[in-house]
Amino acid sequence: NAGVTQTPKFQVLKTGQSMTLQCAQDMNHNSMYWYRQDPGMGLRLIYYSASEGTTDKGEVPNGYNVSRLNKREFSLRLESAAPSQTSVYFCASRGTSGTSSYNEQFFGPGTRLTVL
Amino acid sequence: AQKITQTQPGMFVQEKEAVTLDCTYDTSDPSYGLFWYKQPSSGEMIFLIYQGSYDQQNATEGRYSLNFQKARKSANLVISASQLGDSAMYFCAMRDYTGANNLFFGTGTRLTVIP
Repeated sequence: NAGVTQTPKFQVLKTGQSMTLQCAQDMNHNSMYWYRQDPGMGLRLIYYSASEGTTDKGEVPNGYNVSRLNKREFSLRLESAAPSQTSVYFCASRGTSGTSSYNEQFFGPGTRLTVL
Repeated sequence: AQKITQTQPGMFVQEKEAVTLDCTYDTSDPSYGLFWYKQPSSGEMIFLIYQGSYDQQNATEGRYSLNFQKARKSANLVISASQLGDSAMYFCAMRDYTGANNLFFGTGTRLTVIP
């Protein structure tokens, strides 16, 4: 049981390049999330998916797109990377109401992205 | 709109002593949840403790307890008998149970345990 996995762990991009951050969970959770963490700030929500087939914007969605490929996988895409997107990106998942995992969000290990 | 405030950028505590990390929140929703996460230097986010807005008793999980004062809108984390391994960033977060059920995080407190 790996929990939430993210790939890659580190990435360096040049301005204007595109890339996709991958996230997968094996806990059969309905909800999945993408956050970014910047120095001196807490985690901020980029996009989320309340259930398979649905996605919604969070607090800071500009410059990003997401795909909920299936129940397990939720990817984050940067179409044209900018230096302002240099950050640590976390994926998280949460279980359904009535289960022990309803309240807690389980986080992946993070992806450290640098855009030059 | 929800807001979480952590006013202590950094805290120091002597090993084996107790420490309180402050968190205040602002919401107009009657139903919400409060969380504390620990982020060690390795970077992962570790869930510590949860308190629901309707819970009558303060949550406890081992050495962690949440001092929930609803009228003051505060949800302070108390760590008893601090250990060197407690040195980390600590984030308070809130989730409302209406709308999108998303988490809103504070800016964190860096705790350093002194031997």
